[in-house]
Amino acid sequence: DIQMTQSPSSLSASVGDRVTITCRASQGISNYLAWYQQKPGKVPKLLIYAASTLQSGVPSRFSGSGSGTDFTLTISSLQPEDVATYYCQKYNSAPLTFGPGTKVDIK
Amino acid sequence: EVQLVESGGGLVQPGGSLRLSCAASGFTFSYFGMYWVRQAPGKGLEWVSYISSSSSTIYYADSVKGRFTISRDNAKNSLYLQMNSLRAEDTAVFYCARDRVWGSRGAVDAFDIWGQGTMVTVSS
Repeated sequence: DIQMTQSPSSLSASVGDRVTITCRASQGISNYLAWYQQKPGKVPKLLIYAASTLQSGVPSRFSGSGSGTDFTLTISSLQPEDVATYYCQKYNSAPLTFGPGTKVDIK
Repeated sequence: EVQLVESGGGLVQPGGSLRLSCAASGFTFSYFGMYWVRQAPGKGLEWVSYISSSSSTIYYADSVKGRFTISRDNAKNSLYLQMNSLRAEDTAVFYCARDRVWGSRGAVDAFDIWGQGTMVTVSS
C-alpha cells in the first residue's frame, strides 16, 4: 500500500507569515490528493482536492500544488483562525490513506 | 441544509458488536458514494470503509476487513457500519462522510461533507 508522510509534524508561525506544509506519497498518485483542516474539537473540513483545486468557500490564502509524489499546502498569510491540524489524503485508489497530520499554531 | 448525523456509538466490551448509523438529509443520498472514517483519541484520521451509490463497490481498510460491514439503504437515506469482534484499538470517534462527486459509480474521491461523529469505546 502507498504510505503518506507529512512534514513538519508541527509548526508555530506568526500572524501574517507564509506557511508551507509538505506531503509525500511513497508511490505516484498523479493529482489524487486532498487536504483537510481540522480545528481543535471540530470536524475535518475539505480545503483542496485534485492537489490544487480550492473547495468552494475556502479562503484564497490557501493553495495547493504538486503531482506524482510530492505535494504542498501553502497558507499565504497565516490568520488566527487557521490554528488547526492539516491532513493530506490520497484517493487514487483504496486504501484512501491520510497523512499523519501537521499541527499549526500561532507564535 | 446538507447534513449527516451519526448515531449508535457507545461503550462495548472487547469481542462485542455495535451498529452505527448515519442519517443523510439535504441532498440526493442515492447519487453519492459514502465513507466511514475514524479518529482514535488524540490521534489522526483513519479511513475505514467506502460504499458506492448503488452498493456495487465496497472497500475496507485492512484493519477492519472481515470484522466490519458497510451497507446503505437509499430508500431511508441511511448509511450503516456493522462492527463485530471489536477490539480496544477500535476505540475512536467514527465519522460518516460524503463523496465529493455526484454519481461517481464506484470511483473514490475526496470527502466534502462530514457528520459530527459518534464515539465508540471498547473496554471491559
